[in-house]
Amino acid sequence: GAVVSQHPSWVICKSGTSVKIECRSLDFQATTMFWYRQFPKQSLMLMATSNEGSKATYEQGVEKDKFLINHASLTLSTLTVTSAHPEDSSFYICSAPPGGVVGGYTFGSGTRLTVV
Amino acid sequence: GDSVTQMEGPVTLSEEAFLTINCTYTATGYPSLFWYVQYPGEGLQLLLKATKADDKGSNKGFEATYRKETTSFHLEKGSVQVSDSAVYFCALRSDTGFQKLVFGTGTRLLVSP
Repeated sequence: GAVVSQHPSWVICKSGTSVKIECRSLDFQATTMFWYRQFPKQSLMLMATSNEGSKATYEQGVEKDKFLINHASLTLSTLTVTSAHPEDSSFYICSAPPGGVVGGYTFGSGTRLTVV
Repeated sequence: GDSVTQMEGPVTLSEEAFLTINCTYTATGYPSLFWYVQYPGEGLQLLLKATKADDKGSNKGFEATYRKETTSFHLEKGSVQVSDSAVYFCALRSDTGFQKLVFGTGTRLLVSP
């Protein structure tokens, strides 16, 4: 079945630095990728939707300049957390929508970001 | 807007006990409903789904029935195993607009031997 490979699985960075998270669709083309953030003991909150070849659509309250999303090809979408701060520490997950009527959303394995 | 409400956890059960995790939703139209499971250290996996009223989704012994009259999609399993310990998320996808999923807060299930 469809697989989304997400890297890195965990990362620790210093405050003020930037971190890039990659999601690659394996064996299928993902024209759209959803980026979620999950706080401890809370649900997944949609941050933005990336579309291949066009600008990402951000949810209300999400800082576009802090969370840079790029979807340069049909198999790669990236999320860059710029000038990270401790409050950005979270679990980030990408997801590609179903490819057909019976298809299911495919999720990456997630990235645990810790900013110190 | 669309929303999903799940019972708070953790739910702690002994092996072979009966499981129910409640899920209700608010949405316009006729959304599709999903249960996702997240095992420790892993990403989300689709457990089951239902796309219309009265549909029953089932997988790995888990079941959930789409009840439009009560706007519910409760997850059940007759006999849980230790390996079922995970976080379970109820989610919906609206039949209007784009294809994003709206998640509940998740319910952690802990099964002891």
